[in-house]
Amino acid sequence: LAKTTQPISMDSYEGQEVNITCSHNNIATNDYITWYQQFPSQGPRFIIQGYKTKVTNEVASLFIPADRKSSTLSLPRVSLSDTAVYYCLVGDRNTGRRALTFGSGTRLQVQP
Amino acid sequence: GAVVSQHPSWVICKSGTSVKIECRSLDFQATTMFWYRQFPKQSLMLMATSNEGSKATYEQGVEKDKFLINHASLTLSTLTVTSAHPEDSSFYICSATTGPSYEQYFGAGTRLSVL
Repeated sequence: LAKTTQPISMDSYEGQEVNITCSHNNIATNDYITWYQQFPSQGPRFIIQGYKTKVTNEVASLFIPADRKSSTLSLPRVSLSDTAVYYCLVGDRNTGRRALTFGSGTRLQVQP
Repeated sequence: GAVVSQHPSWVICKSGTSVKIECRSLDFQATTMFWYRQFPKQSLMLMATSNEGSKATYEQGVEKDKFLINHASLTLSTLTVTSAHPEDSSFYICSATTGPSYEQYFGAGTRLSVL
């Protein structure tokens, strides 16, 4: 399974846009990229998933360059409630070889 | 959206006793469920993969006789921590997936404290 590398932590202020980048240099052709959010003492929550280019939903955008060796989760106008750990995972959607390896994640701290 | 219920949310037990944690998919049939363990300030570590009606597949280093997993139906998987010891104290999280879907739906987790 493709290994992912993320910054350990990031700090931001309310109202700012936050971009968290994940490196996955050995991503396979059939691998998708998925991002999860985890609050303390809770299970992870799905944020967004993509394969290439850009994906946007009501909470975030995911930017994936053409070589797919990295991806960037973009959180627009963060609030205090966005303080959490964010994980990116890669895995094969078609064969069921799902991403089950959580990296260290990025601990985002949003300040007032 | 798909909901996974995990019970109990918190359990305290004495050393040497066994604890059972349940993971239920409430509004979908989960062909596969996963069990993770998470220590404070650390990431999730996959313990085992559970498929309905078959034996669970354990990750390297996870004792199958200590962490008993049963997936008797498409909506229920259980993890039993046998003869629990203080070092088994951790946050246990289950997740479930449907057929070809890639997305994992996670339970809220169970905090186990072994005295």
